[in-house]
Amino acid sequence: ETGVTQSPTHLIKTRGQQVTLRCSSQSGHNTVSWYQQALGQGPQFIFQYYREEENGRGNFPPRFSGLQFPNYSSELNVNALELDDSALYLCASSPREAYGYTFGSGTRLTVV
Amino acid sequence: DAKTTQPTSMDCAEGRAANLPCNHSTISGNEYVYWYRQIHSQGPQYIIHGLKNNETNEMASLIITEDRKSSTLILPHATLRDTAVYYCIVGRPPNFGNEKLTFGTGTRLTIIP
Repeated sequence: ETGVTQSPTHLIKTRGQQVTLRCSSQSGHNTVSWYQQALGQGPQFIFQYYREEENGRGNFPPRFSGLQFPNYSSELNVNALELDDSALYLCASSPREAYGYTFGSGTRLTVV
Repeated sequence: DAKTTQPTSMDCAEGRAANLPCNHSTISGNEYVYWYRQIHSQGPQYIIHGLKNNETNEMASLIITEDRKSSTLILPHATLRDTAVYYCIVGRPPNFGNEKLTFGTGTRLTIIP
């Protein structure tokens, strides 16, 4: 049992649209990170939030944005979807000084 | 860019020990070695981490060479459920904050019945 829940599990969007993906992490997990995993590749870091503020960002354009809420849930928003945004999006959370992250099962986004 | 090198794939017979190697020759003094695995259609799962001493937990053992330039993850009695992609990652300790995991392409381990 992962303790990190992501929704929806699958999603199909049209190029140019906007999408919001959601993540609910365990109580006490005040750090949340989002990753993008293209088919056949390892996950790539998008950004991290700590106590509701962005705390680091990978090599992704500004149309990828996020939010973290006081109840430890978070969102990943992607504007102006492109075909290459098709991927598995993973949320990972942990307490601040934990050595291991707990990942959700991801949201499979397909852009057509 | 990933700072580790792993074999692309490996096979292991069920019930035998699976030994997964990882090279991290550019690891710096305060960087840890982390191992995660990803079973098909699931998110990565944390397995173990270490700095310079060998470590063991209920899932696996981690052997780090004295010069810290390589390590081996050992699954002592592999089962079919251990079939997964295994990622070796080097990174700072969590109290640095802002700690991202830099995944490579990992080793695809297949357990053979």
